Amino acid sequence: DQQVKQNSPSLSVQEGRISILNCDYTNSMFDYFLWYKKYPAEGPTFLISISSIKDKNEDGRFTVFLNKSAKHLSLHIVPSQPGDSAVYFCAASEGIQGAQKLVFGQGTRLTINP
Amino acid sequence: NAGVTQTPKFQVLKTGQSMTLQCAQDMNHEYMSWYRQDPGMGLRLIHYSVGAGITDQGEVPNGYNVSRSTTEDFPLRLLSAAPSQTSVYFCASSYGTGGSFGFTGELFFGEGSRLTVL
Repeated sequence: DQQVKQNSPSLSVQEGRISILNCDYTNSMFDYFLWYKKYPAEGPTFLISISSIKDKNEDGRFTVFLNKSAKHLSLHIVPSQPGDSAVYFCAASEGIQGAQKLVFGQGTRLTINP
Repeated sequence: NAGVTQTPKFQVLKTGQSMTLQCAQDMNHEYMSWYRQDPGMGLRLIHYSVGAGITDQGEVPNGYNVSRSTTEDFPLRLLSAAPSQTSVYFCASSYGTGGSFGFTGELFFGEGSRLTVL
């Protein structure tokens, strides 16, 4: 059973527009969430995180929204740039102290078209 | 600063062979872990370590063995390789619980080791 789900395997967005990547989770014990970005032949790199005490966290062009009641989070990228083309993984843990033991979603491949 | 270094990057094994994936980090991180990435499955935790001499199982530990004799190194051993272990393996490290301002718990990943078991 997949505790963290990214139901869109791929997403295509025009350069300059907003990219919205979605993630759902089922485990109520998860209260810390992270997004990672992965280029081909490289390891994932950390993008942004959010604790369940917040509903929004922003870092430059990247904003993560958390809806605890719906067990849903989303990553917004505005404006989207060609360099944002990558696979994005949502991950969850039980507290920031548990972030060493992440549960990942399947990933969404984002393609930014010029 | 090399970060997290994994070797080898590619390996082909026959069923039943054994091998060790090496992982080293030079950031003095307390925590180290191994994940495997399979199509449609995301990354799944195999084993992790919270410090030298301490290891524990993750979500998919069967068929794998680890030890942590130093802070820097965290090798992953496949004792008798099976085709189901064909995957891309990622080693990661991170700071301890820290508690310092700005601590995000982020994992620093190596570039991955692609293993094929025939």
